[in-house]
Amino acid sequence: NAGVMQNPRHLVRRRGQEARLRCSPMKGHSHVYWYRQLPEEGLKFMVYLQKENIIDESGMPKERFSAEFPKEGPSILRIQQVVRGDSAAYFCASSSSGDRVEQYFGPGTRLTVT
Amino acid sequence: KNEVEQSPQNLTAQEGEFITINCSYSVGISALHWLQQHPGGGIVSLFMLSSGKKKHGRLIATINIQEKHSSLHITASHPRDSAVYICAVRFSGGSNYKLTFGKGTLLTVNP
Repeated sequence: NAGVMQNPRHLVRRRGQEARLRCSPMKGHSHVYWYRQLPEEGLKFMVYLQKENIIDESGMPKERFSAEFPKEGPSILRIQQVVRGDSAAYFCASSSSGDRVEQYFGPGTRLTVT
Repeated sequence: KNEVEQSPQNLTAQEGEFITINCSYSVGISALHWLQQHPGGGIVSLFMLSSGKKKHGRLIATINIQEKHSSLHITASHPRDSAVYICAVRFSGGSNYKLTFGKGTLLTVNP
């Protein structure tokens, strides 16, 4: 039973390009969370999605960032026109429901903006 | 403000020593998680607890709801335990799916 999968594991983008980060939840999980870990800072919540719905995007920057979790396929975190400050590790987690259950984390995508 | 504080920030120990990492939070929670992250690596969930004590191998996690405090203990520490240990909580209320994280404790266990 595969765990949470994220790809790519490492992504290098030049300023102004787009970054697409993918997350496949554990089998049977329909709840996905994205977290960001900036250098020398703790993890911060970004967005919570269920299949085809954004439940809470209160942690997402207002511009350039978007997330989706379509009926088929992985969840996507999209960052348009990346800037150096977007360089971070982005982790996704999944759970079987949204309330008081374990969240299982993926290995993360390390984004470097040059 | 909903906050999570961890101490110490850095901890160095000799192999075999008993390790304690502390976590305090500001308001009521529905659950607390202890996570492990190796440098440059992914995040592994060690424990989720809402009361009492849990044990897995050499790891023990305790929580005192009244004092808003949790501890993670490692018995007979080993160099492979070297990692960042992160406390994360779900604050009570409407958004109890959302994890709020401490800044982590960097543990180094020397042989």
